[in-house]
Amino acid sequence: EIVLTQSPGTLSLSPGERATLSCRASQSVNSNCLAWYQQKPGQAPRLLIYGASSRATGITDRFSGSGSGTDFTLTISRLEPEDFAVYYCQQYGTSQGFTFGPGTKVDIK
Amino acid sequence: EVQLVESGGGLVQPGGSLKLSCAASGFTFSDHYMDWVRQAPGKGLEWVARIRNKANSYSIEYAASVKGRFTISRDDSKNLLSLQMNSLKTEDTAVYYCARVKLGGPPNKAFDNWGQGTMVIVSS
Repeated sequence: EIVLTQSPGTLSLSPGERATLSCRASQSVNSNCLAWYQQKPGQAPRLLIYGASSRATGITDRFSGSGSGTDFTLTISRLEPEDFAVYYCQQYGTSQGFTFGPGTKVDIK
Repeated sequence: EVQLVESGGGLVQPGGSLKLSCAASGFTFSDHYMDWVRQAPGKGLEWVARIRNKANSYSIEYAASVKGRFTISRDDSKNLLSLQMNSLKTEDTAVYYCARVKLGGPPNKAFDNWGQGTMVIVSS
């Protein structure tokens, strides 16, 4: 099973700042099958990025994904109030479990 | 508009059974792989099970934590996804989400639509 590690656990930033979230895999992720999701309290997760760098339908270009192999990054260029949430990465490139990372909480400084 | 509506959650004793359902609408259900994902209170997301489409022989996969206890199924004629949960344990307590897998090749197969979730509590 591929284990995903996200850092930092919590990111405290102010609106307008840039957020950089990291996701590291215990082994190479096939075909860049890496997604990022946003989850707000009491809500279901929402797909932001798939294929490591493709934005999902309706997602603002303030969100961008990059990386390959074992190291991936989600960048939020300028934080808006609605961006403060928990962000999860997920790998889906192997049939041995479509694992999620533990999440990074982005909160207001 | 894509809609996924889960139902069937509730309180059950350890060792008991429960069946969850997910009613899908607004898209061609039969084309998509469908998954269940759960989230224990205050914890992260855990993938539970997948069922592929007819073109992929309705093949199924389970997380190791539920294999042999949970059964995923689908009824394409009714646009319905189900999860039969047997021999429930306290650690199965969670919100259970159904999720649609995006169409396309491997890099596309993320979960592009989610239901609102249904709560399962396993407690004596």
